[in-house]
Amino acid sequence: GQQVMQIPQYQHVQEGEDFTTYCNSSTTLSNIQWYKQRPGGHPVFLIQLVKSGEVKKQKRLTFQFGEAKKNSSLHITATQTTDVGTYFCAGVSGYALNFGKGTSLLVTP
Amino acid sequence: NAGVTQTPKFRVLKTGQSMTLLCAQDMNHEYMYWYRQDPGMGLRLIHYSVGEGTTAKGEVPDGYNVSRLKKQNFLLGLESAAPSQTSVYFCASSFGGGKETQYFGPGTRLLVL
Repeated sequence: GQQVMQIPQYQHVQEGEDFTTYCNSSTTLSNIQWYKQRPGGHPVFLIQLVKSGEVKKQKRLTFQFGEAKKNSSLHITATQTTDVGTYFCAGVSGYALNFGKGTSLLVTP
Repeated sequence: NAGVTQTPKFRVLKTGQSMTLLCAQDMNHEYMYWYRQDPGMGLRLIHYSVGEGTTAKGEVPDGYNVSRLKKQNFLLGLESAAPSQTSVYFCASSFGGGKETQYFGPGTRLLVL
C-alpha cells in the first residue's frame, strides 16, 4: 500500500532561521494535504496541493508539489516561536488520508 | 458552530475494562474518522465511516469497534482495554472523502493501566 514518509523527524532551529520538511510517497499522489499540530493540540489543515509542480504560499510558508506528484515540501522562512509544532503531510488513500509521521519543529528564541 | 467535539477529554482505565469514546460534529459532514496518535508514529487510522450506518476498517482496527447510528455521531468502543491502547485518540470529519479537508476534534487521552 501507499507509504508516506517525512524527513526530518525533528528539527530544532533558532528563531529567524529557515526550516524545510520533506514528504515522499511510494506512489503517485492525486493531491497532498498539509496539517499543523501545536503541542497539546489537534491537527489543523494548512493547505492542499493538486497540480504537478504547484507552488503555494501562505505568508512565510511555501508549499511545493513535485513534478512527478510523488513528493512535496514545506518551507518556512525566518521561523518564529509561533511556528512550533508538528507538521504532517497526507496523501489520499481511498476514502481516507494516509498521514506521514510528521516533522516536529522546535524554535528557540 | 462547535465543529468536532470529543467526549471524554481524558480517561484512565484498568486492563480489561471497556469504554466508549464519543465524537460529534455539527457540520453535516458525511465522512468521519477515528485516529490514534502515539509518539513517533504519526496519525494512524483506526476506523472510518462514509455515511450514516456505514463503517470500515482502517490501518489499525484490532481491538476497536465503531458505530455510526446518527450522521453527526461516531462512536469508538474498546471492549477489553489493553495497555497497548494507551494513546491519544482523535476524531475527524470531512464533507467528502479523500480529497476533502479533515476537521479534527480536540482529542481524548486514554491511559490503560
